Amino acid sequence: LAKTTQPISMDSYEGQEVNITCSHNNIATNDYITWYQQFPSQGPRFIIQGYKTKVTNEVASLFIPADRKSSTLSLPRVSLSDTAVYYCLVASGAGSYQLTFGKGTKLSVIP
Amino acid sequence: DSGVTQTPKHLITATGQRVTLRCSPRSGDLSVYWYQQSLDQGLQFLIQYYNGEERAKGNILERFSAQQFPDLHSELNLSSLELGDSALYFCASSTRTAAYPHEQYFGPGTRLTVT
Repeated sequence: LAKTTQPISMDSYEGQEVNITCSHNNIATNDYITWYQQFPSQGPRFIIQGYKTKVTNEVASLFIPADRKSSTLSLPRVSLSDTAVYYCLVASGAGSYQLTFGKGTKLSVIP
Repeated sequence: DSGVTQTPKHLITATGQRVTLRCSPRSGDLSVYWYQQSLDQGLQFLIQYYNGEERAKGNILERFSAQQFPDLHSELNLSSLELGDSALYFCASSTRTAAYPHEQYFGPGTRLTVT
């Protein structure tokens, strides 16, 4: 399983764009990059997933460079309700699809 | 609301006891995953079932076992409980035909406290 490295914490003001970068140097050919959000005492929530280039949905964008050794989750115009822990995961597109969570990035949005 | 239900929401029990946690996946989801989240270990994968069969095992202790029933609900059995088993236990479900293979839907969790 590819190991991921992401900042332990980040602070941002309301209304700003937040970019959280994740490093995954040992990513394999079959691996996908997935991001989850977790609020205290709640289960994680799927945000976005990508394999290469750029993926965008109604919540976030995911930028993946050509070498796929890193990825950046972009949250546009964050609000206080975006305060949460964000997990970057790398997992194979084949097999059991089990998820391995790291420490995540605790994002604090300041008014 | 993810569509995944877990009962009970809270459970307090004593060391040495046995408990059963229950999970009902989203309608139509065949895969069920169990995760444990504790303060020191973070969120850890325990075990996965797919359509009634065990598919993958993670860091699950021998004192723990699980099963998935024909109606696709799943139960996680924890026995000979120790203080260190106190944690949040999450169940998640997914469909293997999803466009995103790692899109799992997590339940609200069961908070287990062992005293």
